[in-house]
Amino acid sequence: GAVVSQHPSRVICKSGTSVKIECRSLDFQATTMFWYRQFPKQSLMLMATSNEGSKATYEQGVEKDKFLINHASLTLSTLTVTSAHPEDSSFYICSAILAGRAYNEQFFGPGTRLTVL
Amino acid sequence: AQTVTQSQPEMSVQEAETVTLSCTYDTSESDYYLFWYKQPPSRQMILVIRQEAYKQQNATENRFSVNFQKAAKSFSLKISDSQLGDAAMYFCAYRRGGAQKLVFGQGTRLTINP
Repeated sequence: GAVVSQHPSRVICKSGTSVKIECRSLDFQATTMFWYRQFPKQSLMLMATSNEGSKATYEQGVEKDKFLINHASLTLSTLTVTSAHPEDSSFYICSAILAGRAYNEQFFGPGTRLTVL
Repeated sequence: AQTVTQSQPEMSVQEAETVTLSCTYDTSESDYYLFWYKQPPSRQMILVIRQEAYKQQNATENRFSVNFQKAAKSFSLKISDSQLGDAAMYFCAYRRGGAQKLVFGQGTRLTINP
C-alpha cells in the first residue's frame, strides 16, 4: 500500500512552453502533498506544500507564478512549469502524507525528469 | 531554523563489511523525528529507518541500525553485512514533532565494492 505515482516519468519540451506533471496517491487519500526539486548529485529541495482544496504554500525563493500547483482532489496534485527555460531542467519529486498515519510519514513518487531545450 | 548536515559526500565499503554514515542536526525542539532515506539509481526515495527523539532505544531494521546521540545531536546509520543492493544515495532527514515538512541533509553516496 501507500503508492505514489508520477506522470510523466520523463518529459522533453521546448523553451517557452508549459509542462504539467501529475502526482497521484494510488491507494490512499492524501490531504497534503509536497513538491521537491533535485539537481544532479544534490539533495531534495522543497518547493511547495500542496493542500487539497486550498492554495499551495511555497518555500522562500520559489516563484509561484512559475511553478503552478493545483491540488484539486485527495488523490491528485499537479505541478505546472510555465514558460519553461533550460534552467528549469531538473528532477521533480512529489510526496504524499497518508491521512491518519502515524508519524506523518511521507511516501514518495518515482520522480519526473524534465529537460527543457 | 533546523539544519541537517551530512559531512561525508561519498563512502565506500567492501561487500559484507559494515559501514557507518554520519549525520548531525541542529534544533531547539525537544519533540522531533529523524529519518534515513535511501535513493537508489532508480531515484525512488525509500524510507530506511526512523527514530523518535523521545525514545532512548536506538532503532533497528534488519541490517540497518542507528546510533542516536540526542545530547550530541548526532544520528548515524550503520549498515551491517553490506550488499550490492545497498549502493545508493543516503539522506538523513529531520521533522519537527507535529509538523509535516522534512529537512534533508546533503546526502552521502555509498558505493559497495564486490
